Amino acid sequence: QEQLVQSGSELKKPGASVKVSCKASGYTFTSYAMNWVRQAPGQGLEWMGWSNSNTGNPTYAQGFTGRFVFSLDTSGNTAYLQISSLKAEDTAVYYCARSYCGGDCANYYYYGMDLWGQGTTVTVSS
Amino acid sequence: QSVLTQPPSASGTPGQRVTISCSGSSSNIGSNYVFWYQQLPGTAPKLLIYRNNQRPSGVPDRFSGSKSGTSASLAISGLRSEDEADYYCAAWADSLSGYVFGAGTKVTVL
Repeated sequence: QEQLVQSGSELKKPGASVKVSCKASGYTFTSYAMNWVRQAPGQGLEWMGWSNSNTGNPTYAQGFTGRFVFSLDTSGNTAYLQISSLKAEDTAVYYCARSYCGGDCANYYYYGMDLWGQGTTVTVSS
Repeated sequence: QSVLTQPPSASGTPGQRVTISCSGSSSNIGSNYVFWYQQLPGTAPKLLIYRNNQRPSGVPDRFSGSKSGTSASLAISGLRSEDEADYYCAAWADSLSGYVFGAGTKVTVL
């Protein structure tokens, strides 16, 4: 069945880096874009950006530039989120979620995020 | 502060109809599709409504979405205890070239 399986919880110190993985199975990886969504403790959902599965090109939302890097391994059907110079305020659950691309991903936002990973908890604490 | 405005809470008794509103602007809801996500306690969000009023396979027809101008709404009819969850609206924002979410509405079944 179609699924996104994310890597396990992480406990990091301020200033360290973390890399979260999101492995896709059961569907054609390159037919879908991959979004990343953050949920801070007790808070709502915040869209971080997306990776174009056709080009590998990442797009970052405001507030997620500089320390955040999206990448794709199309041979391994896996998407990655790397966060560097971690701060306490990065403590959150991070979700990957796919969106249908329909070709060149030009209108990928027509389709919404129809499959989500289970989430990865990243805790930043000294 | 979220770009899309939702009420923080809504409630009803089993069998009742509950409606959640989502207010935006011409650059998001007014010119793009609206999506609704359901997040049950301790779980990942799930797509509930796409393209304003379409239900993915497996979503009960008790859930319905609508959009008018710069506002949208989600209705849950025949409310059930398992509908207790947080509900989020989302839309693409042309001015930001990205998705925006509402702050979420917590639905309680009394």
